[in-house]
Amino acid sequence: DVKVTQSSRYLVKRTGEKVFLECVQDMDHENMFWYRQDPGLGLRLIYFSYDVKMKEKGDIPEGYSVSREKKERFSLILESASTNQTSMYLCASSSYSGLAVPANTGELFFGEGSRLTVL
Amino acid sequence: ILNVEQSPQSLHVQEGDSTNFTCSFPSSNFYALHWYRWETAKSPEALFVMTLNGDEKKKGRISATLNTKEGYSYLYIKGSQPEDSATYLCAGTGAGGTSYGKLTFGQGTILTVHP
Repeated sequence: DVKVTQSSRYLVKRTGEKVFLECVQDMDHENMFWYRQDPGLGLRLIYFSYDVKMKEKGDIPEGYSVSREKKERFSLILESASTNQTSMYLCASSSYSGLAVPANTGELFFGEGSRLTVL
Repeated sequence: ILNVEQSPQSLHVQEGDSTNFTCSFPSSNFYALHWYRWETAKSPEALFVMTLNGDEKKKGRISATLNTKEGYSYLYIKGSQPEDSATYLCAGTGAGGTSYGKLTFGQGTILTVHP
């Protein structure tokens, strides 16, 4: 059974703290993603990575950084947490290669989410 | 950014009703359209991935159609059941070399099926 595992389901942190959210996938996928979900806004892409040590900014990267030292692990880092980063964070992976092959259309496999509260 | 819109934002139906919701996207630079179901306390799961104009896909009581020329997709649920209650997410990805399967999601449609 394929799996994307996020390290913490619930976290409570204080403003200014450094926060690490870890994600591990066991499907040997090249691509990994971090999204945040807020009511009425849908899923918004923070960062993604298409290879080890490679990363690209998504639509809302401000206040976040990422690390991908190994293929199976993608970490999201909040250098100095703020209250507006209170949200549900979802990690996902896919095997889409960027080639126009219909059979390789980038279905995402998601973790169960990490709900972060910043006080 | 591929702009993906979903409607309605929420929907309440009675058990046994059939329902449908819409996802719209720009018809230019389109590559693939995904539908996901997200049940409370679970991970979002893919329902369908469609790429070709006129595509129709079916999984049990749920089906989806795709019109890439006019930029919309419909998701249909026949005979809704309480276990269909979930948030349904639509996402699109554009064509182009460095997209790497990067999906842009709509806001989602929250479906509640009342017994």
